[in-house]
Amino acid sequence: DTGVSQDPRHKITKRGQNVTFRCDPISEHNRLYWYRQTLGQGPEFLTYFQNEAQLEKSRLLSDRFSAERPKGSFSTLEIQRTEQGDSAMYLCASSLWGTSGRGEETQYFGPGTRLLVL
Amino acid sequence: GQQVMQIPQYQHVQEGEDFTTYCNSSTTLSNIQWYKQRPGGHPVFLIQLVKSGEVKKQKRLTFQFGEAKKNSSLHITATQTTDVGTYFCAGCDSSYKLIFGSGTRLLVRP
Repeated sequence: DTGVSQDPRHKITKRGQNVTFRCDPISEHNRLYWYRQTLGQGPEFLTYFQNEAQLEKSRLLSDRFSAERPKGSFSTLEIQRTEQGDSAMYLCASSLWGTSGRGEETQYFGPGTRLLVL
Repeated sequence: GQQVMQIPQYQHVQEGEDFTTYCNSSTTLSNIQWYKQRPGGHPVFLIQLVKSGEVKKQKRLTFQFGEAKKNSSLHITATQTTDVGTYFCAGCDSSYKLIFGSGTRLLVRP
């Protein structure tokens, strides 16, 4: 399968623990996005990378959240000292930016990591 | 900040009936994208609209982008049970990240 993959698919943790999620984008894609989705809502933007550079972070991304994409390929999203309010689906998407020159890009989503904080 | 509103929140139709969901942005969009998410699944890209007034069709699905590039609609003709899911519109902001609407959940009675 050459689509976006995410690991783990499910994570249950206790409040206060740290968790880390991984996203492997489509191999030639230079942009990688992280979104968070809660029940009944659309995905909310968290942050994105172009190659290894983190270009934007949402205000939703508190200091407990950190994301990296060290070699411009896979990315990790870490949540420190998890809280019950962090329970959500964490979605990763990737896209190939810049080929059309008009900013038209399709974002392809991974299956998500569903986090439950007890 | 930029907001994208979507209505209705839910729609329950009899198989064979039509379905429409509407999307409105607080600001002009560079483009708008539509996604479908099945229960328990992830958003799957359907289509992207870029030009003012653009209309695109995919079999029974018709997508429109408003003249002012602030609103859009998705119309499904003669729904089938396979159409069940939540349909999201997502507007691209100035940095080309997606701002999603809250989605319209479609339920189809067989």
